[in-house]
Amino acid sequence: EDKVVQSPLSLVVHEGDTVTLNCSYEVTNFRSLLWYKQEKKAPTFLFMLTSSGIEKKSGRLSSILDKKELFSILNITATQTGDSAVYLCAVSMGTGTYKYIFGTGTRLKVLA
Amino acid sequence: NAGVTQTPKFQVLKTGQSMTLQCAQDMNHEYMSWYRQDPGMGLRLIHYSVGAGITDQGEVPNGYNVSRSTTEDFPLRLLSAAPSQTSVYFCASSVRGSSYNSPLHFGNGTRLTVT
Repeated sequence: EDKVVQSPLSLVVHEGDTVTLNCSYEVTNFRSLLWYKQEKKAPTFLFMLTSSGIEKKSGRLSSILDKKELFSILNITATQTGDSAVYLCAVSMGTGTYKYIFGTGTRLKVLA
Repeated sequence: NAGVTQTPKFQVLKTGQSMTLQCAQDMNHEYMSWYRQDPGMGLRLIHYSVGAGITDQGEVPNGYNVSRSTTEDFPLRLLSAAPSQTSVYFCASSVRGSSYNSPLHFGNGTRLTVT
């Protein structure tokens, strides 16, 4: 069965802390791994990763994929209260299997 | 540029009633899909479509029907609502689906309560 597992389920930190969110997967025909941020409404796209070892970076957020060990991490440095959200990891599956499988998410709360 | 538009935002149904959740996108995306989001369960795929006239089942299709008569629209129909269908529903689209490197773009969701 295809699955995506995220850890931790929830996390509470103080502003300025650095956090690492984890995503592991077991899927047939892997195509890419995606990270999303979900506040009150729709998930918004952060990163898409297709190749191992190549870091994607956007401001204080960065992510990397390990296709050998089947996991990805999302790092947030110098956290701010605006980073409070649920972070979703998803895996897209390849040719003939048009599916995106999501993990249950990590709920991050950043305290001022 | 509206992106993915879902209507209604909120809906309350009685058990056994039927309704259609609307989804429209103006990005000329070939791929469209419906997810439901429940606490502790993440986003689960209900149905998806890779183009007009083509639909397929996802992980949790029972109780839901879809059709795709145009590229823009992908309505989700609940034929006989049940309390287990209480959830937040998201429509999402992408350029060509997961076999290409294209992220999903989400609508703002419909919160459905079935009493």
